[in-house]
Amino acid sequence: DIQMTQSPSTLSASVGDRVTITCRASQSISSWLAWYQQKPGKAPKLLIYDASSLESGVPSRFSGSGSGTEFTLTISSLQPDDFATYYCQQYNSYPLTFGGGTKVEIK
Amino acid sequence: EVQLVESGGGLVKPGGSLRLSCAASGFTFSSYSMNWVRQAPGKGLEWVSSISSSSSYIYYADSVKGRFTISRDNAKNSLYLQMNSLRAEDTAVYYCARDGAQPGCFDYWGQGTLVTVSS
Repeated sequence: DIQMTQSPSTLSASVGDRVTITCRASQSISSWLAWYQQKPGKAPKLLIYDASSLESGVPSRFSGSGSGTEFTLTISSLQPDDFATYYCQQYNSYPLTFGGGTKVEIK
Repeated sequence: EVQLVESGGGLVKPGGSLRLSCAASGFTFSSYSMNWVRQAPGKGLEWVSSISSSSSYIYYADSVKGRFTISRDNAKNSLYLQMNSLRAEDTAVYYCARDGAQPGCFDYWGQGTLVTVSS
């Protein structure tokens, strides 16, 4: 199974900050990586797929990069609506696996 | 508008069974692979099972293999998860999710249904 490791697990930031979350895969997954945002009590929301493709309707301040085993999600200027937990997920092979999550908190 | 609505969750004793349903609307259900993903209270996301559009391909997480069965009825636009031999560690919110642009990447999710396994 492919293990997905996110860092940090918690991140404290202020509105307007540039935020970067890292996701590492235990083996190469090419670009078969998605990022999701989840708010308390809500279902996850797809932000990025294929490592760097922005899902329709997602603000352009979100971007993704990487391939192989190292990936990043960047929020260029953190907005109040962005305080949430973020998960990466690989879909290179079954079983599909998620990272442990990164909670973005208000500093 | 794409909508996925789960139902069937509840409280069940260890060793018991439960059947979850997911009613889909707003898209051609029979053209999409579908999935179940769960989230234990206060924990992260865990993929549970996937089924292809025609039910030809089915996958399970090792943690549920042999106990859970995924199925679908394209005529009824519905996805199901039959859960048997339930354990305390199966307690979670269960989401159904649609495959997006790529297989295994989930573009639409339901609101989730809570399954609690407790005596």
